[in-house]
Amino acid sequence: GESVGLHLPTLSVQEGDNSIINCAYSNSASDYFIWYKQESGKGPQFIIDIRSNMDKRQGQRVTVLLNKTVKHLSLQIAATQPGDSAVYFCAENRGYSTLTFGKGTMLLVSP
Amino acid sequence: GAGVSQSPSNKVTEKGKDVELRCDPISGHTALYWYRQSLGQGLEFLIYFQGNSAPDKSGLPSDRFSAERTGGSVSTLTIQRTQQEDSAVYLCASSLDRRNQPQHFGDGTRLSIL
Repeated sequence: GESVGLHLPTLSVQEGDNSIINCAYSNSASDYFIWYKQESGKGPQFIIDIRSNMDKRQGQRVTVLLNKTVKHLSLQIAATQPGDSAVYFCAENRGYSTLTFGKGTMLLVSP
Repeated sequence: GAGVSQSPSNKVTEKGKDVELRCDPISGHTALYWYRQSLGQGLEFLIYFQGNSAPDKSGLPSDRFSAERTGGSVSTLTIQRTQQEDSAVYLCASSLDRRNQPQHFGDGTRLSIL
């Protein structure tokens, strides 16, 4: 079946670097995408979302890019900090359906 | 509080026992979801309540799993005759009942079946 997945299971960066976490989706009918951050022992925390009528959306230190041509989603974190260390999930949604999650990428930030 | 609240935060029980997990959604959120997360895995959808409509139970793994939502607010997920494979973190989320709204999660209940 169609699903959302991630390219890299673990990403290690130095503090201050920019981080890019990637996600591939296969369902062309998906029209809404979300990035979540999950710290150990916590539930997923909403970071940023984007609708399919947009290519880019920026938040505080984060940018989400959507390439519908190749069904690719990325999360860019500027000036990565140790507090950004967590597992990051992308999720897709169609209309009122439930979210479909990828398996996650662990981001490790070294001081 | 302002967020989704789940209880208990941890539950250890013996195989074969029944368990109840509780979720208090964000006030005003009429959509409520239950997910299961196994160690190092993504989130597996279990059940979805949308307003007064019949719930979407398509993700429940067996008839040992059931959920209800009373008064359109608090929800309880019940697992009967627990098995060791039921060990996981059970997460609840809520959202506004409109198209393309982010789901907001609680911190989950970590269930361990001995």
